[in-house]
Amino acid sequence: QVQLVESGGGVVQPGGSLRLSCAASGFTFRNYGMHWVRQAPGKGLEWVTFIRYDGSDKYYADSVKGRFTIARDNSKNTVYLQMNSLRAEDTAVYYCAKVRITISGMVIYVMDVWGQGTTVTVS
Amino acid sequence: EIVLTQSPATLSLSPGEKATLSCRASQSVSNYLAWYQQKPGQAPRLLIYDASNRATDIPARFSGSGSGTDFTLTISSLEPEDFAVYYCQQRSNWPLTFGGGTKVEIK
Repeated sequence: QVQLVESGGGVVQPGGSLRLSCAASGFTFRNYGMHWVRQAPGKGLEWVTFIRYDGSDKYYADSVKGRFTIARDNSKNTVYLQMNSLRAEDTAVYYCAKVRITISGMVIYVMDVWGQGTTVTVS
Repeated sequence: EIVLTQSPATLSLSPGEKATLSCRASQSVSNYLAWYQQKPGQAPRLLIYDASNRATDIPARFSGSGSGTDFTLTISSLEPEDFAVYYCQQRSNWPLTFGGGTKVEIK
């Protein structure tokens, strides 16, 4: 079955760095774009970043642009989120999610399947 | 960026009742609107994409409608497991954005 497993979360001081990983299984990872979405404690969902299936395009929320970098390694079925210059407001559960692809091959830029999340605390 | 406004913030209903949730966009998103369900301590789950298409294994009691700026998620008859927070999300423009959520609670 489709599975996404995030790791790499933890406690980091303001200004510090952290790299999150998301290991994928159960689907052809190299064909799917991937998102990172976060949720601050007690708050709603915030889309963070997206990378196309081949890494050719990347998009970022304004709140993380210039500080966070998304990358992927299709040989390892893994997507990464490098987070630098961390701030208290980056404290959140970070989820990775895959896009949906229809039977006809159309890419739907929604979060079709989600991981269980990894917690980042900046303090 | 496109702002999505969900209403009401909280909906208090009994099992078996019909739930109607609203999502309004600050500009047209065509039909590129999705809905998610999130239960406490769990990751969100995709319910509806492109306004009215149910995702995999989503029960028929969940339906979506709307286009342009006004969208609705309807749960025809609430089951105990449907009490949760619901979010809308647009994929019309980058950055992708979510609404603030509607909590459906047991009355």
